[in-house]
Amino acid sequence: GAGVSQSPSNKVTEKGKDVELRCDPISGHTALYWYRQSLGQGLEFLIYFQGNSAPDKSGLPSDRFSAERTGGSVSTLTIQRTQQEDSAVYLCASSLSRESRGQFFGPGTRLTVL
Amino acid sequence: GQQLNQSPQSMFIQEGEDVSMNCTSSSIFNTWLWYKQDPGEGPVLLIALYKAGELTSNGRLTAQFGITRKDSFLNISASIPSDVGIYFCAGFDRGSTLGRLYFGRGTQLTVWP
Repeated sequence: GAGVSQSPSNKVTEKGKDVELRCDPISGHTALYWYRQSLGQGLEFLIYFQGNSAPDKSGLPSDRFSAERTGGSVSTLTIQRTQQEDSAVYLCASSLSRESRGQFFGPGTRLTVL
Repeated sequence: GQQLNQSPQSMFIQEGEDVSMNCTSSSIFNTWLWYKQDPGEGPVLLIALYKAGELTSNGRLTAQFGITRKDSFLNISASIPSDVGIYFCAGFDRGSTLGRLYFGRGTQLTVWP
């Protein structure tokens, strides 16, 4: 079916506000990942969900960042009290399983914190 | 943590030329992946490598998994304008309980007609 989708595609917010970013993975994919890409940089791992296992949150930069995945499908990344340094493109990816060949990325959400 | 060094950072070439970029790691990976990212899009998987020494082609693209398992290269032959974009290498450890990919910083490719 369709690829990984993310919404919104662009989000502009004021410093201090909370934001929620959504990811719809490919149907049937059990693994879901969030990455952050700052301008001119590579992809920085944030968090990883695999089935019903406890998520790997080791990449989250601060306790202002959290993510959940409901029903093993849709995931939401929440950033509380946004800061200007949070401005980046947030990319979601999914794969059939942790061992599967490659991760499929969504188009990303460009977050701008004013 | 594991570091991936990707070079060159940028390349400016003429249409028809061949391109080579590489990636090295401070740690061993058992999977190497190469992605391409177009502006405003997420990365798209180009080639996946699973065995040391493996050489894999995908059209005009050829990638190799280094014998030491700490490096990989990507070649693009006879470049065309649509090859423009950012190319990322990524390493994955299938034996790890973690699922993340470790990415290089990317190679920005510009192709002049």
